Amino acid sequence: EPEVTQTPSHQVTQMGQEVILRCVPISNHLYFYWYRQILGQKVEFLVSFYNNEISEKSEIFDDRFSVERPDGSNFTLKIRSTKLEDSAMYFCASGRTGAFTDTQYFGPGTRLTVL
Amino acid sequence: AQSVTQPDIHITVSEGASLELRCNYSYGATPYLFWYVQSPGQGLQLLLKYFSGDTLVQGIKGFEAEFKRSQSSFNLRKPSVHWSDAAEYFCAVVPYGGATNKLIFGTGTLLAVQP
Repeated sequence: EPEVTQTPSHQVTQMGQEVILRCVPISNHLYFYWYRQILGQKVEFLVSFYNNEISEKSEIFDDRFSVERPDGSNFTLKIRSTKLEDSAMYFCASGRTGAFTDTQYFGPGTRLTVL
Repeated sequence: AQSVTQPDIHITVSEGASLELRCNYSYGATPYLFWYVQSPGQGLQLLLKYFSGDTLVQGIKGFEAEFKRSQSSFNLRKPSVHWSDAAEYFCAVVPYGGATNKLIFGTGTLLAVQP
C-alpha cells in the first residue's frame, strides 16, 4: 500500500537556524498538507497546498514558514529563523481530491527539536 | 466557540473488553467527522469517517462509530479490544463550508490495554 514518507525522522537545530523538512506524498495525490503537534498538545493544521499554491494557512504559519514542491515527488516545509517554540512533531499529509470528505494520508512525522 | 472535545485523556481496558471513546463537537453545522489512530512511531491512520447516511459507520480493524446529531457526538467503539489496539486515538472534523478540507483535531485519547 502506498504511503507518505518523511525525512528526517528527527532534526535537531540551533535557535535561529533554518530547517527543511521533507515529505514524499503518495504519487497520484494532488493535495498536500502540513500539521504539527507540540508535545502534549493537539495536532494543529499549518498549511494546505494545491497546484503549486497555498490554499489555506493557519495563524501559526507566519512568514518564517514556507512550502514548496520542488519536483514531481517531494513536498517541503522550510522554517527560517527557528524559535524554541517551533519544537514539535511535524506531519505531512496528502490527499487525492481535496474534497471535504477526502481521506488525508499522514506520514510518520519529523520530530523537530530547537535548542 | 467551535471545538472538538475528547473528554478522556487516558483510558485503560482489559484485552477482550469492549471500548468506547467519546468525541463531541461544537459547530453550527454538522462537520465532516473522522477518527484517526496513531501507533507509536507511526503516522496518523484513518479508522473511519462520516458525512451522511447511516449513522453507524464501520471502519478498519473492527472499529465502528455512531453519529448522534442530538448529542453532537461521534463516539468510537470496538466490541473486543486486542493488545495491538493500544495507541492514541484522535477525533477530527472538517468544518462544513470551510475554505479547504483542513482537519481540526481533538486532544486525543491514549488507550492502554492490559492483559
